Amino acid sequence: EAQVTQNPRYLITVTGKKLTVTCSQNMNHEYMSWYRQDPGLGLRQIYYSMNVEVTDKGDVPEGYKVSRKEKRNFPLILESPSPNQTSLYFCASSPGGWGGYEQYFGPGTRLTVT
Amino acid sequence: EDKVVQSPLSLVVHEGDTVTLNCSYEVTNFRSLLWYKQEKKAPTFLFMLTSSGIEKKSGRLSSILDKKELFSILNITATQTGDSAIYLCAVDPFGNEKLTFGTGTRLTIIP
Repeated sequence: EAQVTQNPRYLITVTGKKLTVTCSQNMNHEYMSWYRQDPGLGLRQIYYSMNVEVTDKGDVPEGYKVSRKEKRNFPLILESPSPNQTSLYFCASSPGGWGGYEQYFGPGTRLTVT
Repeated sequence: EDKVVQSPLSLVVHEGDTVTLNCSYEVTNFRSLLWYKQEKKAPTFLFMLTSSGIEKKSGRLSSILDKKELFSILNITATQTGDSAIYLCAVDPFGNEKLTFGTGTRLTIIP
């Protein structure tokens, strides 16, 4: 089944404890992206990657890192999480080389930082 | 900075009604506008619009773009309870691969 998977789906952690949220797609898509969704603010793009080894900042990249060593994987790294990073996170991929093509979203990761 | 404004923020209607959701935008070098539906989980793609005045249609849903006035509308006719969701609009500019989303319209259909 064609899909985007994220792990973990739910995570409660403490301030400063490094964490990684994995994202993987099996559709051979070039473009991948991370979003966070907060009430009243909608979906905001954190980082995106147009292809392997090419990543760039979205609108809210502070406090996050990403890497794209393989086409299928695009992990999101929080080196020192803080409570303001408590949010719902979505990974997405797109067959086009840009975000304006249809994107397929993962199921989401609900992160709570205490 | 690219900007997307959706209205209304929320809408409650009865089953069978027709609704119109609005999306206005400000973007440098517009390439496309996209509509997504978000039920309880991840957003799912509805439409991508690139040309002004050409309606995209899928069943009871349709959407049109006005590039002169910088807005798009999403129409849903004969609404059903399964249409209850948040509808998201996003714009994609040329030369900048970032996608900017609006905050969405929460649509509730009462049986």
